[in-house]
Amino acid sequence: EPEVTQTPSHQVTQMGQEVILRCVPISNHLYFYWYRQILGQKVEFLVSFYNNEISEKSEIFDDQFSVERPDGSNFTLKIRSTKLEDSAMYFCASRRNSNTEAFFGQGTRLTVV
Amino acid sequence: AQTVTQSQPEMSVQEAETVTLSCTYDTSESDYYLFWYKQPPSRQMILVIRQEAYKQQNATENRFSVNFQKAAKSFSLKISDSQLGDAAMYFCAYRRGETSGSRLTFGEGTQLTVNP
Repeated sequence: EPEVTQTPSHQVTQMGQEVILRCVPISNHLYFYWYRQILGQKVEFLVSFYNNEISEKSEIFDDQFSVERPDGSNFTLKIRSTKLEDSAMYFCASRRNSNTEAFFGQGTRLTVV
Repeated sequence: AQTVTQSQPEMSVQEAETVTLSCTYDTSESDYYLFWYKQPPSRQMILVIRQEAYKQQNATENRFSVNFQKAAKSFSLKISDSQLGDAAMYFCAYRRGETSGSRLTFGEGTQLTVNP
């Protein structure tokens, strides 16, 4: 069964460093998302991506964040200068079309020290 | 803005019994989807069941069923014959039904414990 794949599963980085979280969505999907979940809290939307551009972003997704789909298969989330409060589980999700559900990757646990 | 509320932070059930998790939402849209996702200790998000707002019939997936009350904006999840593997955090989620890449809005979650 096709699945969304995220790498790495766990990343530890120093405050101020740049990190790139990687995702390979399901191959025939058209909509791509990043969500995050701070430990013990609910899942929060960061950004959606469709037709090679951002279609929606939340107030969390500030200038420190960017997304890219450089080669038609990978979908990356970059955090330019990490802060302690960026520590969270980051989920990538993809969806085939407007009538289908989103499938989530297994998540990347980001720890900023 | 759409909001999703899960008023039960924790629930517990005996193995083989039935449990119902509550969810309410607020929206002015007429076209939308509702979902229940399960998050086990591994923290992966697993889709349990979905409901289209335009469908009057409640969705069912094996031991999982929903009670969708559109007028009351209520969307509860019933788990029958609970199993130890059902123990997880359960999130209710809402999405607008439009062609653009609309986001999922999640509730706060309900931690379900299944007692042997």
